[in-house]
Amino acid sequence: SYELTQPLSVSVALGQTARITCGGNNIGSKNVHWYQQKPGQAPVLVIYRDSNRPSGIPERFSGSNSGNTATLTISRAQAGDEADYYCQVWDSSTDVVFGGGTKLTVL
Amino acid sequence: QVQLVQSGAEVKKPGASVKVSCKASGYTFTSYDINWVRQATGQGLEWMGWMNPNSGNTGYAQKFQGRVTMTRNTSISTAYMELSSLRSEDTAVYYCARYFWSGYWFDPWGQGTLVTVSS
Repeated sequence: SYELTQPLSVSVALGQTARITCGGNNIGSKNVHWYQQKPGQAPVLVIYRDSNRPSGIPERFSGSNSGNTATLTISRAQAGDEADYYCQVWDSSTDVVFGGGTKLTVL
Repeated sequence: QVQLVQSGAEVKKPGASVKVSCKASGYTFTSYDINWVRQATGQGLEWMGWMNPNSGNTGYAQKFQGRVTMTRNTSISTAYMELSSLRSEDTAVYYCARYFWSGYWFDPWGQGTLVTVSS
């Protein structure tokens, strides 16, 4: 079965750049999507197909995907960006797969 | 705007069944699959399966095969997820989400329904 690996936590200073990784075997060949989930709320799509932002998502959010690692980058981090972030792919053997989630703390 | 509104919280005893609804608005209900994802307290997201509202076809994660049933009522743009033989480990928030087959992503998600299984 296909697995996605995320760091449990990432910290970033206010106004700096945060990078959250998502590891998987040859993940660069798949479409990777990212969701933001704040406490007590449903997940919200922030990046789809590796690097595309849905309408309403700030340009500060960007994504990349190559080799065995996909990355969500949050520039000029704000307090309101504190949340759990999940990566997700579709795999022919496992269907929908989520990473374990990363807690972003803005210091 | 596109919206998915789910039914309210449920408390069930072990062995019982629960049926959660998900009402779609703001788009053509039969044009997009609905998927269900659950999340236990403090845990990550767990995919349960999908349903095509047009055909009624379904696909379930192996873990839930035999215990989950996904259906719909197209006349009221509502999808349903029924989980049977409940156990304490099924206590979680259950989400429905619209699914994009063009790239396999979810948007938007319902607000979630807390299902508590307790004797």
